[in-house]
Amino acid sequence: EIVLTQSPGTLSLSPGERATLSCRASQSVSSSYLAWYQQKPGQAPRLLIYAASTRATGIPDRFSGSGSGTDFTLTISRLEPEDFAVYYCQQYGSSLTFGGGTKVEIK
Amino acid sequence: EVQLVESGGGLVQPGGSLRLSCAASGFTSSSYWMSWVRQAPGKGLEWVANIKQDGSEEYYVDSVKGRFTISRDNAKNSLYLQMNSLRADDTAVYYCARQRGSGSLDYWGQGTLVTVSS
Repeated sequence: EIVLTQSPGTLSLSPGERATLSCRASQSVSSSYLAWYQQKPGQAPRLLIYAASTRATGIPDRFSGSGSGTDFTLTISRLEPEDFAVYYCQQYGSSLTFGGGTKVEIK
Repeated sequence: EVQLVESGGGLVQPGGSLRLSCAASGFTSSSYWMSWVRQAPGKGLEWVANIKQDGSEEYYVDSVKGRFTISRDNAKNSLYLQMNSLRADDTAVYYCARQRGSGSLDYWGQGTLVTVSS
């Protein structure tokens, strides 16, 4: 099973700042099979990025994904108030697994 | 508009059974793999199971193998999760989700809460 480790666990930032979230895999993941999700309290997760760098429908361009192999990154260029949430990475190669999540909170 | 609506959650005693349903609309469900994902209270996401378009393949996370069964009825645009021998650590909100070819989950239901407790 591929284990995904997200860091940091919590990111404290102010609106307008840049957020950089990391997702590291225990073995190589095909870029085609790496996704990112946003989840707000009491809501279902929402797909942000698939295939490591492709934004899902309706996702603003301040969200971007990059990386390959075992290291992937989600970047939010300028945090909006609605972006404070928990973010998960997910892979689908060997089975399907999620990372533990990164909480982006208001500083 | 794509919609997924789960039902069937509730309170069940340890060792009991429960069957979750997910009604799909707004797309041809027979064209997609479908998944169940759960989230224990205050915890992260855990994929539980998925099933191929025609139901010919199904996969499970190790912790539910032999206890849970995923199935689908494409004529009814429905997905199911039969959960047997439930344990306290199965307590979670269970989501159904549509799975893209890349394995990403692009539409999710609102979730149904399963509580396993005596």
